[in-house]
Amino acid sequence: GDSVTQMEGPVTLSEEAFLTINCTYTATGYPSLFWYVQYPGEGLQLLLKATKADDKGSNKGFEATYRKETTSFHLEKGSVQVSDSAVYFCALSARNTNAGKSTFGDGTTLTVKP
Amino acid sequence: DTGVSQNPRHKITKRGQNVTFRCDPISEHNRLYWYRQTLGQGPEFLTYFQNEAQLEKSRLLSDRFSAERPKGSFSTLEIQRTEQGDSAMYLCASSSPDREPYEQYFGPGTRLTVT
Repeated sequence: GDSVTQMEGPVTLSEEAFLTINCTYTATGYPSLFWYVQYPGEGLQLLLKATKADDKGSNKGFEATYRKETTSFHLEKGSVQVSDSAVYFCALSARNTNAGKSTFGDGTTLTVKP
Repeated sequence: DTGVSQNPRHKITKRGQNVTFRCDPISEHNRLYWYRQTLGQGPEFLTYFQNEAQLEKSRLLSDRFSAERPKGSFSTLEIQRTEQGDSAMYLCASSSPDREPYEQYFGPGTRLTVT
């Protein structure tokens, strides 16, 4: 079945450091890919998405590129802020269904220190 | 747009008791999803409604679990004869008929603790 593997955390960075969180996937067909963010005490929020190969999703300074050849969707940000501290989830949704159910990775906790 | 709401936010129950959670999706969102999230893991799909029809159920949804969406608006998830392994965060999400199904808006979740 479909699966998502994320870089294990936790990740601790200093403010303004460069962030990479690795994500690889296994899926039949041609999925859409997402990054979700969960701030403390809040629900998951869709951060960015990409629906086809070589698409780059971007939002709030974060970006990720859909790499079909390496089945990857790594999250990057050039300069993190304390407010980026959260749990980040990589996810996919199969395109051969109208259901839209998503398969998630286990999450990576990011802590940014001032 | 008031967001997806879930009630209660926290529930502590004794093993063997029944519990029911409620989810109110964003108004006019026709798709509604239930996920379960255990500590240190990502959400796992449980079930999906389109309007009032339950169209898909995960194998994770044992016979003790039942979900309903009687009028195509709010949904309830009931767990009968709770077990300690049911302790988790139960997440609800909804999506709009005007957007792709995977563009889901999540509620804050109901945290269940079975003692």
